[in-house]
Amino acid sequence: AQKITQTQPGMFVQEKEAVTLDCTYDTSDPSYGLFWYKQPSSGEMIFLIYQGSYDQQNATEGRYSLNFQKARKSANLVISASQLGDSAMYFCAMREIRGANSKLTFGKGITLSVRP
Amino acid sequence: DGGITQSPKYLFRKEGQNVTLSCEQNLNHDAMYWYRQDPGQGLRLIYYSQIVNDFQKGDIAEGYSVSREKKESFPLTVTSAQKNPTAFYLCASILATGQMNTEAFFGQGTRLTVV
Repeated sequence: AQKITQTQPGMFVQEKEAVTLDCTYDTSDPSYGLFWYKQPSSGEMIFLIYQGSYDQQNATEGRYSLNFQKARKSANLVISASQLGDSAMYFCAMREIRGANSKLTFGKGITLSVRP
Repeated sequence: DGGITQSPKYLFRKEGQNVTLSCEQNLNHDAMYWYRQDPGQGLRLIYYSQIVNDFQKGDIAEGYSVSREKKESFPLTVTSAQKNPTAFYLCASILATGQMNTEAFFGQGTRLTVV
């Protein structure tokens, strides 16, 4: 079974509008971390935002916010006021502790295109 | 400046040859990871390591091998047993000392092409 599921096909958004990128996850651990990364066409991975499983409030970082619904096991990324530079691939990831090891698993990603 | 360095950026290999991808970090991070990225497949975990001389298989370890002789280095060998090695390979590291909220830092990636 997939640990991280990102099922949206390519997403399109008009510049200056908000967009939500979906992510669901699967774990039986009570403690885990959720991350979102951005990958532009250059290939670099850029960290955007983090949400801990015990965090009471949704994470926010500038124009990025995370809609965390623990019972539904979803961690959707909301980008407000989209900019042309937001066009990229977006990955959701989950970190779990496995004994002495820390496993970091990614989803398949979502392509976001911002239209002028 | 601290960071994580992958080399080379582009690599060409003949079928049947082993090839080693380099990953070095000077961030004093404990955990290191190797991922493979194919179009439409996202990042798939190959191997990861938390401490020196110890590593764990990820989801697609077959045809790959790693070593962790030094904390700062985690080279990946793509062996001839890997049936479809052409892909973009990413190395990452995390300061994994008990805090869950530390993000992974990534190298710039190595694009491997089998010719």
